[in-house]
Amino acid sequence: SQTIHQWPATLVQPVGSPLSLECTVEGTSNPNLYWYRQAAGRGLQLLFYSVGIGQISSEVPQNLSASRPQDRQFILSSKKLLLSDSGFYLCAWSHRGSGAGANVLTFGAGSRLTVL
Amino acid sequence: AQKVTQAQTEISVVEKEDVTLDCVYETRDTTYYLFWYKQPPSGELVFLIRRNSFDEQNEISGRYSWNFQKSTSSFNFTITASQVVDSAVYFCALSLSGSSASKIIFGSGTRLSIRP
Repeated sequence: SQTIHQWPATLVQPVGSPLSLECTVEGTSNPNLYWYRQAAGRGLQLLFYSVGIGQISSEVPQNLSASRPQDRQFILSSKKLLLSDSGFYLCAWSHRGSGAGANVLTFGAGSRLTVL
Repeated sequence: AQKVTQAQTEISVVEKEDVTLDCVYETRDTTYYLFWYKQPPSGELVFLIRRNSFDEQNEISGRYSWNFQKSTSSFNFTITASQVVDSAVYFCALSLSGSSASKIIFGSGTRLSIRP
């Protein structure tokens, strides 16, 4: 069965410090991968999505970046965090194509980031 | 451009009441998918349903039912005989189908509280 792991679960970082959140998927190949952010009491904002190694689509201009160094690994980074980067970050994956599971997202448990 | 609107920010009802969560979407594409996800207090999102734009049949799953109407671009979710365990944030989402990497966007969510 497929599983998705996301870490760290909780992170407290000072303004201006770097960030690295990691997500890995097991039990499937060639997944679509996604990063979403949920600010406190807000909806889910799509940050990045990827169809393959090294292929990243950015949805919102900001000081965050994403990378996909391996097929089932998706990393969210920042060189210098802002206060506004605080939030709940969710990684997700979906099958490709048009089959029964296409576009159905399976989410990780999330990473709660507090920037002070 | 794609957009999902969940106008109801918060809903509170007494247990056993029926409740409907509204979702209105915008897209210029003729082929797309609509989704509902549940986010319980634990934070992890759970997939509830996917509906193809070509299938306007309403669906019922136990106490849950979904009403898809293309004429009004709505995909509403009804919980019958609500229970305290239904308390969660519910998200409606939209994606295009047929592409290898679908951008999937979410509404702002509706926080549902079921009072005993």
